[in-house]
Amino acid sequence: QVQLQQWGAGLLKPSETLSLTCAVYGGSFSGYYWAWIRQPPGKGLEWIGESKHSGGTNYNPSLKSRVTISVDTSRNQFSLRLTSVTAADTAVYYCARGPWVVRGVIMTNLDYWGQGTQVTVSS
Amino acid sequence: EIVLTQSPGTLSLSPGERATLSCRASQSVTGNYLAWYQQKPGQAPRLLISGASSRATGIPDRFSGSGSGTDFTLTISRLEPEDCAVYFCHQYGTSPVTFGQGARLEIK
Repeated sequence: QVQLQQWGAGLLKPSETLSLTCAVYGGSFSGYYWAWIRQPPGKGLEWIGESKHSGGTNYNPSLKSRVTISVDTSRNQFSLRLTSVTAADTAVYYCARGPWVVRGVIMTNLDYWGQGTQVTVSS
Repeated sequence: EIVLTQSPGTLSLSPGERATLSCRASQSVTGNYLAWYQQKPGQAPRLLISGASSRATGIPDRFSGSGSGTDFTLTISRLEPEDCAVYFCHQYGTSPVTFGQGARLEIK
């Protein structure tokens, strides 16, 4: 059974850097992209981006200038950094298992999620 | 980016009834890569349907997905009290992947 467990600072001041980490237990780590999604209070879901175990990344253009997603294959972990945060970045942040692509076909996507981390940006 | 519009915004039904939730895309969803998620308060989203119509592991057959191109539907037959949740559609065929705004299902 695949499980994702995430952690990181929950209270930030404007202009600080958000940093979250997600550990993957069970299942294969390689071959998948690993993704971050966020949900502002009372609102819908926003995809932040994803990184493959080999290092390839895709980011939401709306956040691309401030986002870095990195993967540590030795620990089966992946991380999110979001710089220069503002109140608009206040949200619950989720890590999730991203796409598994086989010969151009997306076999699975966002099928396992972490528990979520509430991040609040306030002065 | 592809905008997904869900309707209705809120649906209120009784146990045993059938719920039909709609998701319309602003352009055709590549490969019919359309998923549905259920989210309950304080929980992460749970994958119900992928590829427009394939149920995820462990999902009861009361949940079914259909559609192609720009119009997709999630049907929940024989509603149970635990189906009370917000349901999101999600397209993952075109980057950036996007989500619908959500539809709230209330059980009377």
